Amino acid sequence: DIVMTQAPLSVSVTPGESASISCRSSKSLLHSNGITYVYWYLQKPGKSPQLLIYRMSNLASGVPDRFSGSGSETDFTLKISRVEAEDVGIYYCGQLLENPFTFGSGTKLEIK
Amino acid sequence: QVQLQQSGAELAKPGSSVKISCKASGYTFTSYYISWIKQTTGQGLEYIGYINTGSGGTNYNEKFKGKATLTVDKSSSTAFMQLSSLTPDDSAVYYCANTREGFDYWGQGVMVTVSS
Repeated sequence: DIVMTQAPLSVSVTPGESASISCRSSKSLLHSNGITYVYWYLQKPGKSPQLLIYRMSNLASGVPDRFSGSGSETDFTLKISRVEAEDVGIYYCGQLLENPFTFGSGTKLEIK
Repeated sequence: QVQLQQSGAELAKPGSSVKISCKASGYTFTSYYISWIKQTTGQGLEYIGYINTGSGGTNYNEKFKGKATLTVDKSSSTAFMQLSSLTPDDSAVYYCANTREGFDYWGQGVMVTVSS
């Protein structure tokens, strides 16, 4: 199985500042079709996860453009610019390159 | 708007089965696959499998073969997951999610508790 490793476990951010979350995969997520199958999700407290970023850098519908995704074949970054109070929760990366699809263990974002 | 409404919490005895549902609305049901994901405190998020809502074809995580059975009723835009031979390790929150770009929209989750 592809292992997704996230860092840090938690991050505390002042409103208005930026935050970055890293994710590393145990195998390249770059398919021969040129698509990198890494995804980012946010689970707000008491809620279901929601899709933020798909195929490494594409913003999901309704997601503010303060969120952005980037990376290479095995190293990925979610950046949140101008963090707001509503951004608190646990961020997960995930891969849809091969079965079984797997997730990272999550990064908790808190507001200072 | 897209909504996935899941059935209510389940309390089940070891060795029994449960069948949970996921009713979709706000979009063409057969335009998205439906995936199922397990969430526990210890194991985090685990992919169980998905069902092609048009053809009924399925894809399972090997770990959940024999444990989970995915079906769909197109007439009611509802997907189902049956969990069999339940053990305490099956206690978790189970989500359905429609799947096209990624796990695009998620249901509210169903808490399954297995206890004697």
